Amino acid sequence: GDSVTQMEGPVTLSEEAFLTINCTYTATGYPSLFWYVQYPGEGLQLLLKATKADDKGSNKGFEATYRKETTSFHLEKGSVQVSDSAVYFCALSTTSGTYKYIFGTGTRLKVLA
Amino acid sequence: SQTIHQWPATLVQPVGSPLSLECTVEGTSNPNLYWYRQAAGRGLQLLFYSVGIGQISSEVPQNLSASRPQDRQFILSSKKLLLSDSGFYLCAWSGGTGGGNSPLHFGNGTRLTVT
Repeated sequence: GDSVTQMEGPVTLSEEAFLTINCTYTATGYPSLFWYVQYPGEGLQLLLKATKADDKGSNKGFEATYRKETTSFHLEKGSVQVSDSAVYFCALSTTSGTYKYIFGTGTRLKVLA
Repeated sequence: SQTIHQWPATLVQPVGSPLSLECTVEGTSNPNLYWYRQAAGRGLQLLFYSVGIGQISSEVPQNLSASRPQDRQFILSSKKLLLSDSGFYLCAWSGGTGGGNSPLHFGNGTRLTVT
């Protein structure tokens, strides 16, 4: 079945460092891909999305490119801030039948001042 | 604009007691509705989803059930809670007409502790 694999965390970076969180997927058809962010004690917020191959989603300095050839959707940010500390989830929406959303296990990011 | 309300925010219940968590969506019609559970330090597990009133699909067999009595209302229930039911429960909706391109929108979650 469809699945999403994320790199294990936690990831600890200094402020202004470059961030990459890896995400790969397995799916039939052409799923849409998403990154969500979760701050402590809260629900998930949509960070960015891409709906077809080679699309680049971007928001708040974060970017991710839908790479069909490598089935990947890695999250990047050029310069992280302390306020980016959160858990990040990669997700896909299935394309067969009813639309279900499959999530990775999440990657915790901690940014130090 | 669309909003999603989920309550209560926190709940402590003894083993064997019943459960009812409620979720409502405003500002949209005929949404797809979802219940997820997030165990401590783990990812999101899809429990139920619904594409319309009275239509419920279960992803994981367990002692939980879901109901959708109205278009924008989704209820998660249990007759007898187990310790393993503890977790963070998240309700979410997506625009049904947008298909899989529509993102999920989450409520703020319910922290359930079964003692």
